[in-house]
Amino acid sequence: GNSVTQMEGPVTLSEEAFLTINCTYTATGYPSLFWYVQYPGEGLQLLLKATKADDKGSNKGFEATYRKETTSFHLEKGSVQVSDSAVYFCALSDLWTGANNLFFGTGTRLTVIP
Amino acid sequence: EAGVTQFPSHSVIEKGQTVTLRCDPISGHDNLYWYRRVMGKEIKFLLHFVKESKQDESGMPNNRFLAERTGGTYSTLKVQPAELEDSGVYFCASTSAGEVETQYFGPGTRLLVL
Repeated sequence: GNSVTQMEGPVTLSEEAFLTINCTYTATGYPSLFWYVQYPGEGLQLLLKATKADDKGSNKGFEATYRKETTSFHLEKGSVQVSDSAVYFCALSDLWTGANNLFFGTGTRLTVIP
Repeated sequence: EAGVTQFPSHSVIEKGQTVTLRCDPISGHDNLYWYRRVMGKEIKFLLHFVKESKQDESGMPNNRFLAERTGGTYSTLKVQPAELEDSGVYFCASTSAGEVETQYFGPGTRLLVL
């Protein structure tokens, strides 16, 4: 079946620190991978995505590379800001199996302190 | 362009009562999804509408949950009777027919059953 496992939180970092949030997946087909972010009081927003192996998704200084050999899609940012404080969700969809709903990880809360 | 909206933002009810959640997708989006996040766990898929038809309702937990999308526009999710374990955040998302992989989420409805 399809599932996503992501790093447990919460994560607290100082401003300008390097961020990594680990995400691994299992899938029956050829999934697309996503990172969603939920800022306080808001809905989920798509942060970045990758649709095939070795693709790199990037947005707002965040990056994640689709690694088929390690079934991973780790989120990274070189220098976090206070405004990056949010909950981050790793997710996959597996259109090859005919279902285009998303499978999510548990979410990782990030707090960036000045 | 207005995003996905959900109403109410919060609902507190007693066990055994009925609650109806509403979702208005982005105008013109044929696909509408309901998800739920219970007690800080992963966000789980509930069901998927294509226009007014239920495409996939495999995630609906039991027959106390009823979703409708009359006319293919907004959708409602009714919980009757509500149980304590139904507490959580209910998210709605929509996609256009031509971009099924990019789901646009609403802010969610936080439901607390006492």
